[in-house]
Amino acid sequence: EVQLVESGGGLVEPGGSLRLSCEASGFTFKSEWIHWVRQAPGKGLLWVSRIKTDGSSTSYADSVEGRFTVSRDNAKNTLYLQMSSLRAEDTAVYYCATTMSSLNYFDYWGQGILVTVSS
Amino acid sequence: EIVMTQSPATLSVSPGERATLSCRASQSFSSALAWYQQKPGQAPRLLIYGASTRATGIPARFSGSGSGPEFSGSGSEFTLTISSLQSEDFAVYYCQQYYSWPLTFGGGTKVEIK
Repeated sequence: EVQLVESGGGLVEPGGSLRLSCEASGFTFKSEWIHWVRQAPGKGLLWVSRIKTDGSSTSYADSVEGRFTVSRDNAKNTLYLQMSSLRAEDTAVYYCATTMSSLNYFDYWGQGILVTVSS
Repeated sequence: EIVMTQSPATLSVSPGERATLSCRASQSFSSALAWYQQKPGQAPRLLIYGASTRATGIPARFSGSGSGPEFSGSGSEFTLTISSLQSEDFAVYYCQQYYSWPLTFGGGTKVEIK
């Protein structure tokens, strides 16, 4: 069974940093691109970032480019999102998500982790 | 960036009735479209990909279709139909295009009990 479990969320002050983790199991982690998608409270879904199987290629939404860094440790089956210079508008539930297809829709999602940016 | 616009924002439907949800894309593409269902406090669940292919385990009452640029001029229109609403279908539904980067989602349609 495919499982994605996020951790590392919490309350952080504006301008601060936080690192999210997403531990994967039930599939060959090193073979799949993995994405981050977020959802602000009461709002819709926003794609945030993606990382290639071996970590050699990454991309980001304009709203987080230069502030967020996605990485992965294939030996630990874990995805990371390093978030810095956090803003109130980054407050959201962050999901890691993936697909076993070669296309960019998401058939597997984590349960999500809440990040709150507030003073 | 492709803008995805869903309508209506809220759809009030009685159990057993048919629900039709719309998703319009600001640019034309034919099938790189997915639909998700989300219930409160849960992650989204994939329903449809390729505009019309049901994901594994999704009941046949869910169907997707799309009209390409030849019918709608600029942009594309897609539809999610739930043929006979069950109690467990009351939720928020999102469309997502994966035709181009960045991936974008619609704003959602909430299907509520009438």
